[in-house]
Amino acid sequence: AAGVIQSPRHLIKEKRETATLKCYPIPRHDTVYWYQQGPGQDPQFLISFYEKMQSDKGSIPDRFSAQQFSDYHSELNMSSLELGDSALYFCASSLSQDRGEDLQYFGPGTRLTVT
Amino acid sequence: AQKVTQAQTEISVVEKEDVTLDCVYETRDTTYYLFWYKQPPSGELVFLIRRNSFDEQNEISGRYSWNFQKSTSSFNFTITASQVVDSAVYFCALSYNAGGTSYGKLTFGQGTILTVHP
Repeated sequence: AAGVIQSPRHLIKEKRETATLKCYPIPRHDTVYWYQQGPGQDPQFLISFYEKMQSDKGSIPDRFSAQQFSDYHSELNMSSLELGDSALYFCASSLSQDRGEDLQYFGPGTRLTVT
Repeated sequence: AQKVTQAQTEISVVEKEDVTLDCVYETRDTTYYLFWYKQPPSGELVFLIRRNSFDEQNEISGRYSWNFQKSTSSFNFTITASQVVDSAVYFCALSYNAGGTSYGKLTFGQGTILTVHP
């Protein structure tokens, strides 16, 4: 069965650079979530999208922005990178509750290292 | 506000021992889901179980079992006859409907690092 795809899997950037993380949800899924997991931390919710509209927002820095496109894939854009942005970034997708099971499936994560 | 507490930061056992990971949650919602995830050293989040707040039946899946008690707001996870491959970080999580279309936003506990020695 198709799973959530995240690219790239690993990314190394320098401070003050920009990074773009991509997430391709499971086919037919209409909801995407982004989480950030710092070293030794639990995953923290950043932002979610339903049908290409932002549906919820967590502790996402103003330097970050995200969107969901017409094909339901999502991109997380991170600017002016800081050392503290080094983390594992997870994307998850689900089918909205009124359309199906609503269980979310996590991608393998993108490991971002800022030097 | 939602909160999940995993009081055990680290647990170390010897293979074949039984081990229980504790999870206590706080929520004002009457409808919510509880989860357990396993995160091996490779980093991916492996889904283990999801429990609806209206279903307090305990569940067993092979060597894994879960005990959900609404009265104490706990959702504990037991591994029977632990194996070295069970070594990982285990996260308990809570999701709820914040008025949107899904219960997908998760609040995670701090995680419990389980080490199983041969």
